[in-house]
Amino acid sequence: DVKVTQSSRYLVKRTGEKVFLECVQDMDHENMFWYRQDPGLGLRLIYFSYDVKMKEKGDIPEGYSVSREKKERFSLILESASTNQTSMYLCASSEPGSANYGYTFGSGTRLTVV
Amino acid sequence: GEDVEQSLFLSVREGDSSVINCTYTDSSSTYLYWYKQEPGAGLQLLTYIFSNMDMKQDQRLTVLLNKKDKHLSLRIADTQTGDSAIYFCAESGDTTSGTYKYIFGTGTRLKVLA
Repeated sequence: DVKVTQSSRYLVKRTGEKVFLECVQDMDHENMFWYRQDPGLGLRLIYFSYDVKMKEKGDIPEGYSVSREKKERFSLILESASTNQTSMYLCASSEPGSANYGYTFGSGTRLTVV
Repeated sequence: GEDVEQSLFLSVREGDSSVINCTYTDSSSTYLYWYKQEPGAGLQLLTYIFSNMDMKQDQRLTVLLNKKDKHLSLRIADTQTGDSAIYFCAESGDTTSGTYKYIFGTGTRLKVLA
């Protein structure tokens, strides 16, 4: 019954490494999102995609990029990981016009940058 | 800009009612949402309310919306230990691409005492 899958639950990377976080959804949704979650700050939108190869910056895109080559897969890329990117990363998907149905979230990837 | 605020913690005794409050700033939001996040998991849509409604009830959950004050609340009747989680309020906002984008609150951590 899993609908949004994030490839790793826990990840430890070194400062300066290039990091890929993968997200796959099996609901044929048009929209996909990447958020980071930090205590006391809630969820903040990094990037989202409304179609294959289309993307739009969220509220905190600095230090991140994304890739959506196929409809079902949305990747978040940390070009050069830094310790302030240690966080929980959540992927979500939704269907246009279904605002009342909300997002479907993955279980999250907890990234630690050392 | 858009902002959604919640108190960070709430503690209640098992069997009591819980009320989680949220204030938002974007009066044009069509839908407002409540999400639940259990430990180690992603967010799960609990319920939502359309902006022209004042109240919505769904079993033990009651959502109240005061548009004038931009105040949203979630009441959980007969709170159980399984209700212990983080609860996020969210409003929908439009993006330049027309995609629905949610603005999440900071989350309220509900602790239910046996």
